[in-house]
Amino acid sequence: LAKTTQPISMDSYEGQEVNITCSHNNIATNDYITWYQQFPSQGPRFIIQGYKTKVTNEVASLFIPADRKSSTLSLPRVSLSDTAVYYCRGGSGGSYIPTFGRGTSLIVHP
Amino acid sequence: DAGVIQSPRHEVTEMGQEVTLRCKPISGHNSLFWYRQTMMRGLELLIYFNNNVPIDDSGMPEDRFSAKMPNASFSTLKIQPSEPRDSAVYFCASSGVGGSTDTQYFGPGTRLTVL
Repeated sequence: LAKTTQPISMDSYEGQEVNITCSHNNIATNDYITWYQQFPSQGPRFIIQGYKTKVTNEVASLFIPADRKSSTLSLPRVSLSDTAVYYCRGGSGGSYIPTFGRGTSLIVHP
Repeated sequence: DAGVIQSPRHEVTEMGQEVTLRCKPISGHNSLFWYRQTMMRGLELLIYFNNNVPIDDSGMPEDRFSAKMPNASFSTLKIQPSEPRDSAVYFCASSGVGGSTDTQYFGPGTRLTVL
């Protein structure tokens, strides 16, 4: 199974933009990159998904370079409620079963 | 839609006992996943079903773990006998057709404590 790597933790302050980068070196041609958010005592939930370049929705933006070996989740103007663990679900490496990384624990301070 | 339903939400048992976790996926979804989450190992995929058939169970830790999906609306994960190191949060997730592009919808999880 493919391996993804992302920072273990990050700290930010309310109103700032947060960028979390994930590396997925073993991504296959038909793999998409998906990010999930998990709050304590809840299951992960979908935030955003992309294949290449840039994708934006009401929650976040996702930047994927041309080689697709990494991706960056961008959260604009974070608030305290954005404190959560963010998972990059990278490519399957051709196994059709995408794996989750260890997640990045984001703490937003007042 | 009620989303993915898991039961029980919390389970406390003693070492050696049998534990059965239950999951009802979202209606119409063809793929079902069982995950285990711990601080040490993060979110681990245990087994993946597609159209009720187990596709990959390479993540199942050992023979004490077994999973079934007798129909499209129900799956179980059984641990027999349970051990303290099985203590974790177990998540069930479902998705439309599986694969890299598919969004997985997670249930609330079952917090298992084995004493």
